[in-house]
Amino acid sequence: KQEVTQIPAALSVPEGENLVLNCSFTDSAIYNLQWFRQDPGKGLTSLLLIQSSQREQTSGRLNASLDKSSGRSTLYIAASQPGDSATYLCAVNAGGTSYGKLTFGQGTILTVHP
Amino acid sequence: KAGVTQTPRYLIKTRGQQVTLSCSPISGHRSVSWYQQTPGQGLQFLFEYFSETQRNKGNFPGRFSGRQFSNSRSEMNVSTLELGDSALYLCASSRRGEISDTQYFGPGTRLTVL
Repeated sequence: KQEVTQIPAALSVPEGENLVLNCSFTDSAIYNLQWFRQDPGKGLTSLLLIQSSQREQTSGRLNASLDKSSGRSTLYIAASQPGDSATYLCAVNAGGTSYGKLTFGQGTILTVHP
Repeated sequence: KAGVTQTPRYLIKTRGQQVTLSCSPISGHRSVSWYQQTPGQGLQFLFEYFSETQRNKGNFPGRFSGRQFSNSRSEMNVSTLELGDSALYLCASSRRGEISDTQYFGPGTRLTVL
């Protein structure tokens, strides 16, 4: 059974810092991995999707990497801002007939203070 | 283009009642997935629909059911509500319903069971 773990569970940083969020998964046979952010009481916003054949994806100040063989992904946020404060979730899709089924980690709660 | 919409946004029910939640996917999207989010269990996959057919189902009791209409809109139903069903219910849509697709989430329906 696939398990996804995110470390740390919570992170507080001053504005302007670069930071790294970690995600690990137990079964390396994934099809893709997706990073989301969730604001309190809201739905999920997709940030980046990495297919299993890719090593990284970039969008603005965000960079996500994937090491499928070691079961790890990292989300790098450059020059953090207070507006980045949210819960960040990673989710994997096992492929095959796993239509629509994402397995999520518990998330990292990020607080960026001015 | 409008995002995924869910109605109602908030719902209060009592034990034993039943409830129906609605999800309208992004225009042109054909796949809809449902998730339950609770503080203890995190995000858990309920089921996925594509072209009015359920293709995938998570580990939830039969009290949880769903359907999809020809216009891709989806509903989920929970019968005989229990206190533990209190959660944020999220739906997500994807364009082609393929494993490689990005999933886009709605704002969720907050269900409280008293």
